[in-house]
Amino acid sequence: EAGVAQSPRYKIIEKRQSVAFWCNPISGHATLYWYQQILGQGPKLLIQFQNNGVVDDSQLPKDRFSAERLKGVDSTLKIQPAKLEDSAVYLCASMLRRGEKLFFGSGTQLSVL
Amino acid sequence: RKEVEQDPGPFNVPEGATVAFNCTYSNSASQSFFWYRQDCRKEPKLLMSVYSSGNEDGRFTAQLNRASQYISLLIRDSKLSDSATYLCVVKNGNNRLAFGKGNQVVVIP
Repeated sequence: EAGVAQSPRYKIIEKRQSVAFWCNPISGHATLYWYQQILGQGPKLLIQFQNNGVVDDSQLPKDRFSAERLKGVDSTLKIQPAKLEDSAVYLCASMLRRGEKLFFGSGTQLSVL
Repeated sequence: RKEVEQDPGPFNVPEGATVAFNCTYSNSASQSFFWYRQDCRKEPKLLMSVYSSGNEDGRFTAQLNRASQYISLLIRDSKLSDSATYLCVVKNGNNRLAFGKGNQVVVIP
């Protein structure tokens, strides 16, 4: 079974630049999550989709972060403009609609210089 | 109060010893509970679900105390390969999953 695919694996940018991450969840998984994990912290939920609708984006810094899941399958997360404190691993995860187990991708490690 | 709270540690454990740690959660209506394991520079992976009656998987035992709003994980006969961060996860309505900071376990030879 194919897992959650994320790209790129690493990204280095300068502050005020823009960056985008891509995620393809496991086929059939209706729920998709983007988490931000800063070193030494647990994953923090940024946004949760159910199919192509947003369920929870209460912790998404909407002045600079945006995410979409237009066809209810793959998703992109964008940061524009990036700040130093955005340096983190961005994890995408998916789950069946009535599932219990969360499947994570390998993450994108972002360094903002 | 944070949704999920854990003492990050580290918990330094001699090989073969037992280690236990707790996680507290703030939402009394939380539905499901899990422990995830995260190795250094890797993504989290499900270790085990936590059931109301408590459950065991080999050397790992998980328990839930709804009255006091905490869950626990106990690792018996610790192995070097158990060194990792153990993340407490709470599922609320709408499949919303909140993570704790994690308990870092270091098993020492």
